[in-house]
Amino acid sequence: GQNIDQPTEMTATEGAIVQINCTYQTSGFNGLFWYQQHAGEAPTFLSYNVLDGLEEKGRFSSFLSRSKGYSYLLLKELQMKDSASYLCAVKGRGSTLGRLYFGRGTQLTVWP
Amino acid sequence: DTAVSQTPKYLVTQMGNDKSIKCEQNLGHDTMYWYKQDSKKFLKIMFSYNNKELIINETVPNRFSPKSPDKAHLNLHINSLELGDSAVYFCASSPSSGGAINEQFFGPGTRLTVL
Repeated sequence: GQNIDQPTEMTATEGAIVQINCTYQTSGFNGLFWYQQHAGEAPTFLSYNVLDGLEEKGRFSSFLSRSKGYSYLLLKELQMKDSASYLCAVKGRGSTLGRLYFGRGTQLTVWP
Repeated sequence: DTAVSQTPKYLVTQMGNDKSIKCEQNLGHDTMYWYKQDSKKFLKIMFSYNNKELIINETVPNRFSPKSPDKAHLNLHINSLELGDSAVYFCASSPSSGGAINEQFFGPGTRLTVL
């Protein structure tokens, strides 16, 4: 089975740094994605990790530890527009090839 | 130019009716997907087609029938709609079904409300 766990809600203030954690237990692993979803809109791709370590992309970074089944998304210099749901998704392999298994998303609210 | 488009954006219908949602992608991708996002925002895969061939069929009632006339289109037909079918349905596409990063691009979603 697939189990992907992330906090339901987080809040932070403008200019701050926030870390959104994701833990997973899956029968196959072929990479981990982070997506951003604003209310009423489609999910959009933020980052992808398949090897252990940190991937940095501007204000956003994503970290993966495969041995621990753990990832985090780090958002720096928060802006009001970063208020959104952040979805962690694990890509399957083998019999689950092509599947993306999503967590329930973390709703981030950024306050002025 | 819209990469992944869906119609309609909103669909309100009565229980028992049959309805269809259409999806088109102009990215030249080989693989397309249907996802269901429930009221708790949980996004779950339903189907996937690779070059018009069904490759993923999760545990979905057989009232749901996908059809892919060509690799740029994937439609979803739902028979005998039930209250529990109310959700947002997202179409997505990716270059292929496996390998490399293979990022999925999502359409704007179709909000289905069954009364």
